This record gives sequence, C-alpha cells and structure tokens, in this order.
Amino acid sequence: AQKVTQAQTEISVVEKEDVTLDCVYETRDTTYYLFWYKQPPSGELVFLIRRNSFDEQNEISGRYSWNFQKSTSSFNFTITASQVVDSAVYFCALSEALISGTYKYIFGTGTRLKVLA
Amino acid sequence: DAGVTQSPTHLIKTRGQHVTLRCSPISGHKSVSWYQQVLGQGPQFIFQYYEKEERGRGNFPDRFSARQFPNYSSELNVNALLLGDSALYLCASSLEVRDTQYFGPGTRLTVL
Repeated sequence: AQKVTQAQTEISVVEKEDVTLDCVYETRDTTYYLFWYKQPPSGELVFLIRRNSFDEQNEISGRYSWNFQKSTSSFNFTITASQVVDSAVYFCALSEALISGTYKYIFGTGTRLKVLA
Repeated sequence: DAGVTQSPTHLIKTRGQHVTLRCSPISGHKSVSWYQQVLGQGPQFIFQYYEKEERGRGNFPDRFSARQFPNYSSELNVNALLLGDSALYLCASSLEVRDTQYFGPGTRLTVL
C-alpha cells in the first residue's frame, strides 16, 4: 500500500539554524510524484514543490532545497538559515494512481517546525 | 488571480444534521478534489471530480457525497453527521486531473 512516513513529529530550532525535514515513502507505482506542502496556522496548504519519480536531481529554491533519493525512497526538505516565518506544519505527499487514470494524494502526518527568535 | 475559495469558513452542527460545503476552483482549473483533515493528521482523500464526473473516491461512508457544476465549482455534502466528522475540510483544484493540486483555506466543521 502507498504510505508516507514523516517520523519527526515536531522540531524546534533557533532562527538562522538549518533544519532538515525527513520524508520516507512506499509505493507500488512505477511513475509517481512527490510533494511538499506548508500549512501555517491559518490552515491553508501551500504548495512548495512537486518532483517526478524519474527526476532525481536535487532542487534549490532560495533557502529551500530538496533531496530526492529513489534508492532509499526518501524525499527530504532542508530549510537553510531558518526564519520565524518558516514556523508551520510541513507535509510530504505522494501521488497514488487511481483506476480512472487520475491521482489522489497520500499525505504523511506532518512535521511541526517551530523557529524561535 | 484568485486562489481556491471555500465557504463557509467555520461551521457548527449537531449530530444527525447534514452539511453542505462549497468550493470554487482557481480560474481555468477543471478538476476539484476534497480532503478531510482531522486534528494532528494529514489530509485524507475523499473525492475527485473532473468535468462534472466523479473520478475517484476515498474510503469514506456513503454519507459523504459531492458534485461538480458546469462552472467547475463543487459541493461536498455530509449527511447524518457524527462527532467524528469534526475536521478541516480542504478543497483542492488542478488544471487537469494529473496536475498539481492547489488547496483552499478549508472549512472547519465542528459537530456537537
């Protein structure tokens, strides 16, 4: 069965520290997508990145970077020089192919990141 | 451009009642999905609609139903509410069914 595991329930760091959020997944699909979303206290899920299973290149966007390793089924997310505004719950998600040909998303349980000033 | 909008923002119902939640997708997006997020958990897939047709259904009882309208907006209906239905209900839209889903702010439903 498809599954996403985010073992870190909560992480606290001091501002300007680097922090890595772990994500491990299980899938039977040969083609799939991985995602990271940010959920601030307001509740809205904010899309951060989508990665295709065939593209293992790491990606950097400003202070954010993602490390996708198919061999270990991991898709980790690093925030460099964290800021208080980064405080939120972060979700890793995996696409699951449906019979209809569409996708649904399987989410992990989330990691709550607290950045202290 | 406006993002996904949902109404109402908050809702309080009692057990046994029914509720209708509404969602307007991003302009041009044809697919709408619904997710339920209980406190402390990740969102769970309920439905996906595309071009007014149901394209996917999660492991939820028949008390949950939805539909999509010609303008691509969508409604989620829940009948015979239970305490366990208390959750944040998220709507997501995507351009096509396999494109990235963008989420709305959610409707927080409390069942007393």
